[in-house]
Amino acid sequence: EVPLLESGGGLVQPGGSLRLSCVASGFTFSSSAMSWVRQSPGKGLEWVSVMSGRDTTTYYADSVKGRFTISRDNSNNTLFLQMSSLRAEDTAIYYCARIGTYVLGAFDIWGQGTMVSVSS
Amino acid sequence: DIQLTQSPSFLSASVGDRVTITCRASQGISRYLAWYQQKPEKAPNLLIYAASTLQRGVPSRFSGSGSGTEFTLTISSLQPEDFTTYYCQQLNSYPLTFGGGTKVEIK
Repeated sequence: EVPLLESGGGLVQPGGSLRLSCVASGFTFSSSAMSWVRQSPGKGLEWVSVMSGRDTTTYYADSVKGRFTISRDNSNNTLFLQMSSLRAEDTAIYYCARIGTYVLGAFDIWGQGTMVSVSS
Repeated sequence: DIQLTQSPSFLSASVGDRVTITCRASQGISRYLAWYQQKPEKAPNLLIYAASTLQRGVPSRFSGSGSGTEFTLTISSLQPEDFTTYYCQQLNSYPLTFGGGTKVEIK
């Protein structure tokens, strides 16, 4: 059983939209804060967004604010990232990650990632 | 925003060497710092949280220290599987940020 499984990546034209999904299993998703992190080809890690478990508070990186929306469906243990007005610089592997309860906010479970390519 | 500066960016070492990676924060973050290891084509893996607490299952040759603005990750005796890339991350305030990474290569 894979604890986090992302899907929804693909090739999209600049200005287009895409919705990523991350299905969780093996832990209490509804009470877990969740995050998206991305990694452009050959580059480092970049935090994208976070959503709390209970009160659904959200935060975004400045680079995606106003274009990306994080959401969740606790009844189906799924985290989403709706991406719009996509740019070439959004090309990256997108990982979802759990923010651990007992690890002072560190990301203790990661998915395998889904690739998003923005190109004409 | 809090900037994290990792050094060195690249490190050449041999099996059995002791290596240290430094992560400096642009402002104080108490002990809200984590270290991750990332192998090629894989997701990052949590090594250390709260600056110095070893995540379950991580070998004891890894250790972390520091608080405030300066932190270190030390590998006491490099093993073949440790030659890969390491990142620090601050969890003190949003936006969360990562260091630029340190690639540990075989000398």
